[in-house]
Amino acid sequence: EVQLVESGGGLVQPGGSLRLSCVDSGFTFSNYWMNWVRQAPGKGLEWVASIKGDGSEKYYVDSVKGRFTISRDNAKNSLFLQMNTLRAEDTAVYYCARDNHGPDDYWGQGTLVTVSS
Amino acid sequence: VVMTQSPLSLSVTLGQPASISCRSSQSLVHDGHTYLHWFQQRPGQSPRRLIYEVSKRDSGVPDRFSGSGSGTDFTLKISRVEAEDVGIYYCMRWPLNTFGQGTKLEIK
Repeated sequence: EVQLVESGGGLVQPGGSLRLSCVDSGFTFSNYWMNWVRQAPGKGLEWVASIKGDGSEKYYVDSVKGRFTISRDNAKNSLFLQMNTLRAEDTAVYYCARDNHGPDDYWGQGTLVTVSS
Repeated sequence: VVMTQSPLSLSVTLGQPASISCRSSQSLVHDGHTYLHWFQQRPGQSPRRLIYEVSKRDSGVPDRFSGSGSGTDFTLKISRVEAEDVGIYYCMRWPLNTFGQGTKLEIK
């Protein structure tokens, strides 16, 4: 059974940093693009970033460019999101999701990031 | 690119049909394929993909769910709504990963 498990969320002050992790089990991780998708409290889904299987291509939504960095370690079946200069509007549940021309049927349970003083 | 869903909320009697529309501000055709997907998010749960590439059902998705459309206009239909269908439904396009605003389905 495919499982994606996120971790690393928490409370951080505006301007602070946080690193999210997502570990896969159950599929050949390096064969897939991977995504981070977020959902602010009571709001809809927003794609945040994507990374190619070998890590050679990365894409970001405009609102996080220059502040967030997506990366992966295929040897550890792990996906990461380094979030710097966090703002209140970054408060959300962050999901990792496997990609197949868009997020497919494998999503994690999400990890909550709260940016507040 | 903007994905516009309508209605934004839907109240349906059990056993009755439901329909959600999704319109893109740009054509979704890419390399001969149309990557328009539908996701369901039940209360308190992670999103789940129901339909991919307009009309293909994911594994385990009941056949009461169907997708249709082309170009810029797409529709998700539920032939007979059941209690477990309560939640929010999102369309999404690829590339330019953009979700619609979501349509909240509740039981009347």
